[in-house]
Amino acid sequence: DAGVIQSPRHEVTEMGQEVTLRCKPISGHNSLFWYRQTMMRGLELLIYFNNNVPIDDSGMPEDRFSAKMPNASFSTLKIQPSEPRDSAVYFCASSSQGFSNQPQHFGDGTRLSIL
Amino acid sequence: QQQVKQSPQSLIVQKGGISIINCAYENTAFDYFPWYQQFPGKGPALLIAIRPDVSEKKEGRFTISFNKSAKQFSLHIMDSQPGDSATYFCAGPTGNQFYFGTGTSLTVIP
Repeated sequence: DAGVIQSPRHEVTEMGQEVTLRCKPISGHNSLFWYRQTMMRGLELLIYFNNNVPIDDSGMPEDRFSAKMPNASFSTLKIQPSEPRDSAVYFCASSSQGFSNQPQHFGDGTRLSIL
Repeated sequence: QQQVKQSPQSLIVQKGGISIINCAYENTAFDYFPWYQQFPGKGPALLIAIRPDVSEKKEGRFTISFNKSAKQFSLHIMDSQPGDSATYFCAGPTGNQFYFGTGTSLTVIP
């Protein structure tokens, strides 16, 4: 049974470039989450989708960040333009129904480095 | 403001010992208290979780103890093994938000 699949696993790019991170949730899961993990701030929820609709994007740090979920099997997180402080590990997770009482299944993350 | 405060930041335990990690929370809207385990290079994975209507839940060597009045919950790892060496996160969800603790790096020495 395939888990959450994220790509790329690593991304190194120069400041100012556009970055697109991709996620394929577990089939049948209707909730999808994007997180960012850094040493300074730990794990932070960026945005939460339910049935492909963004429910809460209050964690998105700036307008440079945007996320889409065009269908139940695919989501993207885009940073444009990227800055060095965006360097972090970005995780995608999915669950069968929101947060409460349902485990979130995480991908292995995308390690992003902005030079 | 930290919604979930976790301690200690790091923990070193001898093989066979007991590892204890504590969490305190502020938000009384939390209705589910999970613990996640993360190995290097991997995403967090659910280890064990408890609902606030029970005070303790045990799964194998892992136990959650929950104290609703004190707004605290803890993870106990009995007979700790080197394979348990990882980072552990407590967490709390509200309707549209999910808050992780700052993490505890556990090292189990053979």
